[in-house]
Amino acid sequence: EAGVAQSPRYKIIEKRQSVAFWCNPISGHATLYWYQQILGQGPKLLIQFQNNGVVDDSQLPKDRFSAERLKGVDSTLKIQPAKLEDSAVYLCASSRSGQGAYEQYFGPGTRLTVT
Amino acid sequence: AQSVAQPEDQVNVAEGNPLTVKCTYSVSGNPYLFWYVQYPNRGLQFLLKYITGDNLVKGSYGFEAEFNKSQTSFHLKKPSALVSDSALYFCAVKNNNNDMRFGAGTRLTVKP
Repeated sequence: EAGVAQSPRYKIIEKRQSVAFWCNPISGHATLYWYQQILGQGPKLLIQFQNNGVVDDSQLPKDRFSAERLKGVDSTLKIQPAKLEDSAVYLCASSRSGQGAYEQYFGPGTRLTVT
Repeated sequence: AQSVAQPEDQVNVAEGNPLTVKCTYSVSGNPYLFWYVQYPNRGLQFLLKYITGDNLVKGSYGFEAEFNKSQTSFHLKKPSALVSDSALYFCAVKNNNNDMRFGAGTRLTVKP
């Protein structure tokens, strides 16, 4: 079974520029998550999708971050404009369902550096 | 809202010795508890989970975790540590509302 795919693996941009990350979840997984992991901290949930609908985006800074999951499969996360404090690893994860105790499977992450 | 505490930033053990990585949680209702491991430049890998039933849960790579409801703890354990177990370990808790929260992580170093 193929794992969660993410691209790019690394990205360096200047502040006020925009950037987009892509995620392809495990086949058949209805739930997709985007997390932000700042160095030295645990992952923080940004947004959760169930199929192509948003379940939870309470911690997404909506003035600059946006995400979509068209057709309920792949997803993109965008930051526009980026700030220095956005430097982090952005992790995508998927699970069979958001309900219950299904574990999440994580991609390798995208390391974003904002200069 | 639920929360997770991993009181130790760093745990050092010698190869062959038992290891424990501590985790305590706070959640309303029955918790779903998870342990994940993160190797350098890799995403998080699922190790084990507690849903209900037996308080001792066995997972991947010889790891196990003990759920203690009275102490609200879910410590990760392994009887004999390997150098290859050196990594960053995260405890996570999920409530009935499917809100998942991760701890800050504990860096485990196993020395030969």
